[in-house]
Amino acid sequence: EDKVVQSPLSLVVHEGDTVTLNCSYEVTNFRSLLWYKQEKKAPTFLFMLTSSGIEKKSGRLSSILDKKELFSILNITATQTGDSAVYLCAVDSIYNQGGKLIFGQGTELSVKP
Amino acid sequence: GAVVSQHPSRVICKSGTSVKIECRSLDFQATTMFWYRQFPKQSLMLMATSNEGSKATYEQGVEKDKFLINHASLTLSTLTVTSAHPEDSSFYICSTSGTSGMSSYNEQFFGPGTRLTVL
Repeated sequence: EDKVVQSPLSLVVHEGDTVTLNCSYEVTNFRSLLWYKQEKKAPTFLFMLTSSGIEKKSGRLSSILDKKELFSILNITATQTGDSAVYLCAVDSIYNQGGKLIFGQGTELSVKP
Repeated sequence: GAVVSQHPSRVICKSGTSVKIECRSLDFQATTMFWYRQFPKQSLMLMATSNEGSKATYEQGVEKDKFLINHASLTLSTLTVTSAHPEDSSFYICSTSGTSGMSSYNEQFFGPGTRLTVL
């Protein structure tokens, strides 16, 4: 059975700290791995990773994929209170000639002032 | 990214009634739309995949006669929760995937979600 597992499930840090969120997966017909940020409403897209070892970066956020070991990490440096959210990892698998996202449980990040 | 809207954003209904949720892709042709359900403190669970002009594909454990999906055009999919019960109370989110020139991958874009409360 396809599955995506995130860790930790929750995390509390102080502003300025650096955090690393983990996502491991077991999925057949892997196509890409995506990271989303969810704050109260629907998820907003952060990164899509398709190749191993190539870091994607956006401001203080960065992510990398290891297709051999089947995991990805999301790093946030110099955290701010606005980074508080649930971070979702999802794996896109080829399904019925289309795609299907399988989500992890999410990591709830709380950044304290 | 693509712009997706949902309507209504919040709905409260009595047990036994039916509720229709609309998902619109505003700026590109969504050949495929996905419907998810999210219970509090839990992740998104795919309910069904909706393809324009054909029947939806439901995930295991999702009753197709209870959650009716219609994807009649490239910009609109609807989810109708029939004979809603309190246990159907949840956050329902749609997403779109299709040819937009942005990406050949399944870079799904999510609507803002609909919070359903069944009394």
